[in-house]
Amino acid sequence: GQQLNQSPQSMFIQEGEDVSMNCTSSSIFNTWLWYKQDPGEGPVLLIALYKAGELTSNGRLTAQFGITRKDSFLNISASIPSDVGIYFCAGQWGNTPLVFGKGTRLSVIA
Amino acid sequence: DVKVTQSSRYLVKRTGEKVFLECVQDMDHENMFWYRQDPGLGLRLIYFSYDVKMKEKGDIPEGYSVSREKKERFSLILESASTNQTSMYLCASSRGMGEAFFGQGTRLTVV
Repeated sequence: GQQLNQSPQSMFIQEGEDVSMNCTSSSIFNTWLWYKQDPGEGPVLLIALYKAGELTSNGRLTAQFGITRKDSFLNISASIPSDVGIYFCAGQWGNTPLVFGKGTRLSVIA
Repeated sequence: DVKVTQSSRYLVKRTGEKVFLECVQDMDHENMFWYRQDPGLGLRLIYFSYDVKMKEKGDIPEGYSVSREKKERFSLILESASTNQTSMYLCASSRGMGEAFFGQGTRLTVV
């Protein structure tokens, strides 16, 4: 099946730093989604992208749908301690379920 | 807000037991999903359902079955629990096949 390569696997950053993570695929997607999972909880949808080239912001978060439709990135500006968690990308094509990346574990050092 | 509720946050079961994980959503979504989450492996799809009494296998269906008798409820069944089924189980629902909304997860330990 389709696979997503999400990187980096983990990040340790200082509070106030900017963060960037990305997902790539060998297949094209119609939709890219970014989720955040807090420890012990289910993933929560952060941003949804529906068009190639689309750039969408949600507060300090910005995500882009790659022009080739095979990649997406998520940026977090001025990180704060509550940004800690696992971030997942997910792609969707046709009438098939979402395919998830393996996640990026973010740790913020105050 | 969409609410997806899983019946238990934590479960401990013995090897060989039949285990039921229940999930209810309140937004009249057609599609419901069961994933398991393991460290380093991300979210893997076990089964999904696009309508009442309909089910489709996901990527890792072996050892599991599902039931969807009502639109709002989707159950995951472990017929004979094994230690390698110790994991975090996540239920989700969606209107189409795009944005999915997750429950809080059930951490299952099989001893």
